[in-house]
Amino acid sequence: DIQMTQSPSSLSASVGDRVTITCQASQDISNYLNWYQQKPGKAPKLLIYDASNLETGVPSRFSGSGSGTDFTFTISSLQPEDIATYYCQQYDNLPPCTFGQGTKLEIK
Amino acid sequence: QVQLVQSGAEVKKPGASVKVSCKASGYTFTSYGISWVRQAPGQGLEWMGWISAYNGNTNYAQKLQGRVTMTTDTSTSTAYMELRSLRSDDTAVYYCARDVAAIVGATRFDYWGQGTLVTVSS
Repeated sequence: DIQMTQSPSSLSASVGDRVTITCQASQDISNYLNWYQQKPGKAPKLLIYDASNLETGVPSRFSGSGSGTDFTFTISSLQPEDIATYYCQQYDNLPPCTFGQGTKLEIK
Repeated sequence: QVQLVQSGAEVKKPGASVKVSCKASGYTFTSYGISWVRQAPGQGLEWMGWISAYNGNTNYAQKLQGRVTMTTDTSTSTAYMELRSLRSDDTAVYYCARDVAAIVGATRFDYWGQGTLVTVSS
């Protein structure tokens, strides 16, 4: 199985900060990488698909990049409503598709 | 608008089975797949498997092979996930999600159900 290593596991930042989360795959997954946001008690929400494509309706302050084994998710200017846990997910090698362990983002 | 509405919370004893439903609306059901994802209390997301609503093909996580069955009823646009021989570590919130992969899955999950809490306890 492909392992997804996400870092950091938690992050504290101020409103307006640029926030970066990384996800590393244990083998080449091309661009088969998605990013989700999950707020407490809610279902996850798709933000970025195929590494760098913004899902319809998602604010442009969210972006993704990378290919192969190394991927980055960025919030250009952190807003209070961005407080959530963020997950990467790969789907290159099925089964299974796998999620990273998550990054819990808090306001400083 | 696309909606996935799941059945209500369940409490089961170890060794029992549970069947969770997921009723879809607002899109052509057979043009997509459905993936099931679970989340144990305080833990991360775990993909369980995928079913094509187009042809019924399935793809299950290896660790659940033999215990899980996913089905669809295209007449009611409803997907089902049955998990058997329940253990305490199956206690989790179970989500269905629309998967853009209709033929070969899974890919990305663009709409999610509200989640169904399944508690396994003696």
